[in-house]
Amino acid sequence: DTEVTQTPKHLVMGMTNKKSLKCEQHMGHRAMYWYKQKAKKPPELMFVYSYEKLSINESVPSRFSPECPNSSLLNLHLHALQPEDSALYLCASSQVLAGRYNEQFFGPGTRLTVL
Amino acid sequence: GQQVMQIPQYQHVQEGEDFTTYCNSSTTLSNIQWYKQRPGGHPVFLIQLVKSGEVKKQKRLTFQFGEAKKNSSLHITATQTTDVGTYFCAQKTSYDKVIFGPGTSLSVIP
Repeated sequence: DTEVTQTPKHLVMGMTNKKSLKCEQHMGHRAMYWYKQKAKKPPELMFVYSYEKLSINESVPSRFSPECPNSSLLNLHLHALQPEDSALYLCASSQVLAGRYNEQFFGPGTRLTVL
Repeated sequence: GQQVMQIPQYQHVQEGEDFTTYCNSSTTLSNIQWYKQRPGGHPVFLIQLVKSGEVKKQKRLTFQFGEAKKNSSLHITATQTTDVGTYFCAQKTSYDKVIFGPGTSLSVIP
């Protein structure tokens, strides 16, 4: 299985809602990532988890709260978002092999609209 | 921080023409990765280069890493409509941080 799955595919939420994005992989990868991508822009790194521990937070506002319950799952909890947070949210995973630069496998993304 | 730049931003070619996108950095890169994102899709890994002067080929795609490890290129020979998409170069730093270039959007006119 070389797939990263994400749910939901689309999400529309109001600024007062609380929602969660989910990501799952069964490739045994121990690094997982959240990216935000606006139209016609490159993916912007938000968070990195390595061995289920948060290793990088790219100064993301606290209305985004990541969680890694186990080595296969990654969640992104959303609360009190702003319309400018509307974007494609991509999850990715990769191996963690010392001294190597490993490819990332991306999920299909969740297209989020904040009203 | 480290940044990679890409040119051109957009490229429109007639089917069958060649295409090249360039990735440039002001600092030495430890590695370069290339990804392709189809319209409405997600980034898909194409290749990784780590050695100075490295050249790798995948069918009609040729990837190069500069001798000084400050630039890289992706060349597509005889483009097809299936090549349409945005091509990103990216650098993976230590601690698994990946920095994407701005991308080159390729359109292929049949």
